[in-house]
Amino acid sequence: GDSVTQMEGPVTLSEEAFLTINCTYTATGYPSLFWYVQYPGEGLQLLLKATKADDKGSNKGFEATYRKETTSFHLEKGSVQVSDSAVYFCALISGGYQKVTFGTGTKLQVIP
Amino acid sequence: DVKVTQSSRYLVKRTGEKVFLECVQDMDHENMFWYRQDPGLGLRLIYFSYDVKMKEKGDIPEGYSVSREKKERFSLILESASTNQTSMYLCASSPATATGELFFGEGSRLTVL
Repeated sequence: GDSVTQMEGPVTLSEEAFLTINCTYTATGYPSLFWYVQYPGEGLQLLLKATKADDKGSNKGFEATYRKETTSFHLEKGSVQVSDSAVYFCALISGGYQKVTFGTGTKLQVIP
Repeated sequence: DVKVTQSSRYLVKRTGEKVFLECVQDMDHENMFWYRQDPGLGLRLIYFSYDVKMKEKGDIPEGYSVSREKKERFSLILESASTNQTSMYLCASSPATATGELFFGEGSRLTVL
């Protein structure tokens, strides 16, 4: 079945540092890929998405590129802020089904 | 502002009690979902519904049931709560097209004593 593997957390960075959160996937067919973010005390919200190979999703300074050859969708940001502290989930949907498969989440803490 | 509203943010129940978690969305979405979120396990799908009175089992349906009598409302039922059902429960909705974009509520943290 489909699965998503993302790097263990927590990740602690200083403000303005470069962020990478790794995500790899296993899926049948050609999945669409997503990053969701969960701020403290809130539900998840969509951060960015990519629907086909080599697409780059971007939002709020975050980027991720759909790499079919390495089955990866790593999240990057050039300069993190304290307000980026949250849990980040990589996810996919494939095969025309409604089910979204999530990774285990990576907690990011940004310190001033 | 579009919203998914979960009726209770925090609940404390005793083992064996029947528990209802309610979720309402105002976006006229066809699909609704219940997930549970546990540390180190991420989000796991319990049940989903793609239409009124329709339901499908997710990955971990044991010990749960659901009800969808109206399009906007999707209820999760724990018939006899157990301590291993202590968790954060997240409701989500999405339109009929399988785009993968889900709209989540703020979650209901359930503690079973």
